[in-house]
Amino acid sequence: QKEVEQDPGPLSVPEGAIVSLNCTYSNSAFQYFMWYRQYSRKGPELLMYTYSSGNKEDGRFTAQVDKSSKYISLFIRDSQPSDSATYLCAMEDTSGTYKYIFGTGTRLKVLA
Amino acid sequence: SQTIHQWPATLVQPVGSPLSLECTVEGTSNPNLYWYRQAAGRGLQLLFYSVGIGQISSEVPQNLSASRPQDRQFILSSKKLLLSDSGFYLCAWSSHAAYEQYFGPGTRLTVT
Repeated sequence: QKEVEQDPGPLSVPEGAIVSLNCTYSNSAFQYFMWYRQYSRKGPELLMYTYSSGNKEDGRFTAQVDKSSKYISLFIRDSQPSDSATYLCAMEDTSGTYKYIFGTGTRLKVLA
Repeated sequence: SQTIHQWPATLVQPVGSPLSLECTVEGTSNPNLYWYRQAAGRGLQLLFYSVGIGQISSEVPQNLSASRPQDRQFILSSKKLLLSDSGFYLCAWSSHAAYEQYFGPGTRLTVT
């Protein structure tokens, strides 16, 4: 079993839809959670990060963490064609190893 | 603000040739530095990370090596490239005081 599981997609949605991207993990030591957006042939860009269970909102993006279920989500409201990219989740156990575990990424396509 | 640079952006090298990829970070001191490889359609594979000058941890045994000659410089090398070394190489950094990780623009390596 992988430490982090992420549906690879592709996920196609119409413009304006609410998008839900998800990751599950198995290591209860993970404490810090991040979401990255990666456009084709570019480096990943950090979108959101959170250190606790609950919701964190930034504009059209909401990151949600449920540590009891070992499940994290990224919601995108009013999705735009410019949101078309691959979204990667990442986690770190804050034990001082400074190592990050990444999901394989979900490819999202928002149709105009 | 912090900036991370990688070069070259693209590289085509024959099998058996040497490799040197460079990464530098500006605007911070004593960062944690990372080299990842991303194969087409696959997730991020951590190759090396460094928590300080002269401290290199290798995650995957292979024909690659890393060095950190200066505080904010990280170099990925190989003496003889293999076809399987083709991929998208990403450098990243994080701070010892926070857990967010930031990526560079990447180097696309094609070994022919």
